[in-house]
Amino acid sequence: AQSVTQLDSQVPVFEEAPVELRCNYSSSVSVYLFWYVQYPNQGLQLLLKYLSGSTLVKGINGFEAEFNKSQTSFHLRKPSVHISDTAEYFCAVRSKEYIFGTGTRLKVLA
Amino acid sequence: DAGVTQSPTHLIKTRGQQVTLRCSPISGHKSVSWYQQVLGQGPQFIFQYYEKEERGRGNFPDRFSARQFPNYSSELNVNALLLGDSALYLCASSLGPGTYSGANVLTFGAGSRLTVL
Repeated sequence: AQSVTQLDSQVPVFEEAPVELRCNYSSSVSVYLFWYVQYPNQGLQLLLKYLSGSTLVKGINGFEAEFNKSQTSFHLRKPSVHISDTAEYFCAVRSKEYIFGTGTRLKVLA
Repeated sequence: DAGVTQSPTHLIKTRGQQVTLRCSPISGHKSVSWYQQVLGQGPQFIFQYYEKEERGRGNFPDRFSARQFPNYSSELNVNALLLGDSALYLCASSLGPGTYSGANVLTFGAGSRLTVL
C-alpha cells in the first residue's frame, strides 16, 4: 500500500528565512504528487503539483518542490517565508486515490 | 465562480444519531470525493463518486454512505454516530476520476465540522 511520510510535525522558522518541508512517499508505480496548505478553520488549498515533466515544480505564494524519484521524495521549499505562511502543509500522492501525509505545521516567527 | 460549497459548517450530534452532510462541486466538475480529517491528522479518503456511481471507497465502516445527484452535488451520511466520528469532513471536486491532468487536481471545500457528544 502507498504511504506518505512527513517527517517533521512542526517547523518553526524566522520571518524571511528559508524553509524546507520534507515529504517521502512509498510507491512502486507512477504517482502524481501534491502539496496542499490548510489555514485555520479552512479547507485545503493546492500549492503545487507534479504530474510529469520537469522535476522542479513552482507553485503559488513563492513555493516550489522537487520530485526526486530515486529518493522517493517531494520536498517543499520557499527561499524567504512570511508571517502569513503560518499554516499546516500536507503532502499527498495519488495513483488510484489520494493519500495524505499527517501534515507539517509551519510557524513563522517575527 | 463559486468554489466547492459544503453545509452545514458546524454541527453537534450525540452518540447513536445520524448525520447528513452536503456538498456542491465547482461548476463543470463531475467527480466528488469525501475525506475525514481528525484533529492533528491528514485527510483520510472515504468515497469518490463520478456520474452518480461510486468509483472508490476507503477503509470506513458501512455506517458511512454517500450518493451523488444528477446535478453532481453529493451527500455523505453517517449512521449510529460514535465519539470517534468527530472530525472535519471535507468534500473535494475534480473534473473526473481518471488519471489525466485535470482529473488529478482536487479542489476542497471549507469542510463540515462534526462534534459527537
